[in-house]
Amino acid sequence: SQQGEEDPQALSIQEGENATMNCSYKTSINNLQWYRQNSGRGLVHLILIRSNEREKHSGRLRVTLDTSKKSSSLLITASRAADTASYFCATDPAINLHQGAQKLVFGQGTRLTINP
Amino acid sequence: EAQVTQNPRYLITVTGKKLTVTCSQNMNHEYMSWYRQDPGLGLRQIYYSMNVEVTDKGDVPEGYKVSRKEKRNFPLILESPSPNQTSLYFCASRRDRPIYNEQFFGPGTRLTVL
Repeated sequence: SQQGEEDPQALSIQEGENATMNCSYKTSINNLQWYRQNSGRGLVHLILIRSNEREKHSGRLRVTLDTSKKSSSLLITASRAADTASYFCATDPAINLHQGAQKLVFGQGTRLTINP
Repeated sequence: EAQVTQNPRYLITVTGKKLTVTCSQNMNHEYMSWYRQDPGLGLRQIYYSMNVEVTDKGDVPEGYKVSRKEKRNFPLILESPSPNQTSLYFCASRRDRPIYNEQFFGPGTRLTVL
């Protein structure tokens, strides 16, 4: 079953506005990653935040992680038309370390549309 | 250029006709994986491999086979495709260590089984 659940499922904003997407998960994690997918294309890694980190920045991206609430948020500031894509959170479950497994668990994504 | 390549990118086939989707990475990554993406279900892992000759099932392995004879290649084999395997498939790779690292995805293979 999918662990990550993104919210909202779809988001439409004006260019220049900030976009915030949320992700909730169910089990303990090693890290949480955000990916972007342009329509029909492969996923591109955006940012990784470890379980012992609370906030991370990369350019116009800001990611927060609250392990007590099992949730993360991705903020894109000063959005551009080129940011239009689907955004996925993916968790690296803590059980991977114990079992020697290697699996990212993806949510269903948030479809972001930036209107010019 | 560091990349994961998949072939073919698009494929239409008929039920029961064996097919192979190739995946190759040029980053010397130990770990490779196959996912399928379906509307409303997100990405689900089919199989993964932690190194040459080491493969294991993911969440939805039924109807698929894989092999890892070389480090760079990880083909996905559908011995007898069925319509419920119509999907968008992604291959991904990453370094095995350290554990905290990103996955690199291929461009995807859109498969239609009639």
